[in-house]
Amino acid sequence: AQTVTQSQPEMSVQEAETVTLSCTYDTSENNYYLFWYKQPPSRQMILVIRQEAYKQQNATENRFSVNFQKAAKSFSLKISDSQLGDTAMYFCAFMPYPWGGNNRKLIWGLGTSLAVNP
Amino acid sequence: EAGVAQSPRYKIIEKRQSVAFWCNPISGHATLYWYQQILGQGPKLLIQFQNNGVVDDSQLPKDRFSAERLKGVDSTLKIQPAKLEDSAVYLCASSPQGAGEQYFGPGTRLTVT
Repeated sequence: AQTVTQSQPEMSVQEAETVTLSCTYDTSENNYYLFWYKQPPSRQMILVIRQEAYKQQNATENRFSVNFQKAAKSFSLKISDSQLGDTAMYFCAFMPYPWGGNNRKLIWGLGTSLAVNP
Repeated sequence: EAGVAQSPRYKIIEKRQSVAFWCNPISGHATLYWYQQILGQGPKLLIQFQNNGVVDDSQLPKDRFSAERLKGVDSTLKIQPAKLEDSAVYLCASSPQGAGEQYFGPGTRLTVT
């Protein structure tokens, strides 16, 4: 079975500091996408960053970057210079990518609740 | 570019009543998804459309839930009759043809009393 595990249910960080959220996944697929989504109290799900499994280079998006370790099946998110607006639930998600297939199903972790403290 | 639109944003109904949610995806996005998210959990896929065809509805409780996307653009999700356990946020998402990422609307928060 394909699963996504986020081992940290809750985390906190001081404003302006750096925090890393962990995510591991289990799959036998070779082609897939990995995502981090952010869900603030408004409950809107916002795409933070994506990584394609065939790319060795780690994705970055402004203050957000990932450490993708394909052999270890690990996909952690680093938030630099944390801001109060980063307070949210963060979900790691995995999507197998069968070539030519239409069924692009996201498999979600249970989330990590991040609190950024002033 | 306009994002995914959903309405209503909030709905309170009594059990056994009916309710419908509407979603308009990002223009040109072929794939549309409906998710149910219960507080404290990750989203659960209810149904996936590719244009106006159903790709996956394996987790849709078909005895009470229905969804359609008649013209391959906007979509409606209906619950009839509602149960207390249907209280959740219903998220709509869309993605372009061949892409992995999904873009979500603001959600509809349903409370069944």
